[in-house]
Amino acid sequence: DGGITQSPKYLFRKEGQNVTLSCEQNLNHDAMYWYRQDPGQGLRLIYYSQIVNDFQKGDIAEGYSVSREKKESFPLTVTSAQKNPTAFYLCASSVAGTANTDTQYFGPGTRLTVL
Amino acid sequence: AQSVTQLDSQVPVFEEAPVELRCNYSSSVSVYLFWYVQYPNQGLQLLLKYLSGSTLVKGINGFEAEFNKSQTSFHLRKPSVHISDTAEYFCAVTRTSYGKLTFGQGTILTVHP
Repeated sequence: DGGITQSPKYLFRKEGQNVTLSCEQNLNHDAMYWYRQDPGQGLRLIYYSQIVNDFQKGDIAEGYSVSREKKESFPLTVTSAQKNPTAFYLCASSVAGTANTDTQYFGPGTRLTVL
Repeated sequence: AQSVTQLDSQVPVFEEAPVELRCNYSSSVSVYLFWYVQYPNQGLQLLLKYLSGSTLVKGINGFEAEFNKSQTSFHLRKPSVHISDTAEYFCAVTRTSYGKLTFGQGTILTVHP
């Protein structure tokens, strides 16, 4: 059964701690994306990767880091430098990052709460 | 730069009534347009997309949207809604030359019995 998995579904962390969110896909897609969702603001792009071992900053990359060592995995680290990390984080993938016609497929999301 | 404005943050409607969710975009170049739906605490699912050709696009669950280039709009419609259509709907745009998806702020559709 192909799809995108994100874990955990809910995550709680203390202020000042780094935390890593997992995203795995078995769709054989080249491109992967991380979005942040806040109420009333839609989705904002954090980082994206068009191919293994390459990634680019999105619109709100400050305080976040990513890696793309494997095609199927694109973990996101929320660092202590992120001023307001509490949000719903969504991972997505598409067949190829250079084709705008591609549909992006989304995972179920991780809700991060920083206490 | 491109941007998307969803004109209504919330739309309440009774079951079996028609609904229209409004989306306007701005871009200096040609664009591709998408509508996604998000059910509570879930990821997004594609409803439909406009790439080229007929300006009336049909999607899943009985939804359709019309691309209007002169008015830079891509409104989503359904002639008769169900309780199960209660969700948040997002309009998104990307340029036909390579570019990233830009999302609107979302419209919460609530269908009442």
